[in-house]
Amino acid sequence: DVKVTQSSRYLVKRTGEKVFLECVQDMDHENMFWYRQDPGLGLRLIYFSYDVKMKEKGDIPEGYSVSREKKERFSLILESASTNQTSMYLCASSSPERWSFYEQYFGPGTRLTVT
Amino acid sequence: SQQGEEDPQALSIQEGENATMNCSYKTSINNLQWYRQNSGRGLVHLILIRSNEREKHSGRLRVTLDTSKKSSSLLITASRAADTASYFCATAPRWTDKLIFGTGTRLQVFP
Repeated sequence: DVKVTQSSRYLVKRTGEKVFLECVQDMDHENMFWYRQDPGLGLRLIYFSYDVKMKEKGDIPEGYSVSREKKERFSLILESASTNQTSMYLCASSSPERWSFYEQYFGPGTRLTVT
Repeated sequence: SQQGEEDPQALSIQEGENATMNCSYKTSINNLQWYRQNSGRGLVHLILIRSNEREKHSGRLRVTLDTSKKSSSLLITASRAADTASYFCATAPRWTDKLIFGTGTRLQVFP
């Protein structure tokens, strides 16, 4: 079974802190994604990566950056956390090639609260 | 706006009844996928239907796709309390590589 793990289930940070959310997958997937989920807005894509050191902006990249130094690990970085970044963050991975044809495997999510 | 819009937003039924959720989208797609999310957890892939398919089955799940109406439906037959979750459709539009998720249908199945 594909396993996608996220470093924390719950996280509380203060405004202005630098926040790192880690995601690891064990299926050798080339493609990895970071979404945020907010009530009434569904899932919105923040960044995705289709290879090591490769990244592309999603729909809402502002205030976020990412790092992919190893194939299995994709990190989301909040450079200076703000209260409007309080949300559920979901990481996903999928098979390579025409990736949008294939299912995405999700981690359990990190519920981040910024105070 | 969202590519996929689910209807209804919330649905409450008794165990044993069927649950039907609908998804509408706006542009041409390569495929449409349905996911399930238990409260506070990640999403789990349920089923994928390609644009050239009209119906697909998986266990108690039945998905239909009508590309002329740009809509899909997910039917869960003989529902169980364990089916209580949020269900999301996700579309793979032809003009982009992204998956676009809708806002979901919250299903409550009462024992």
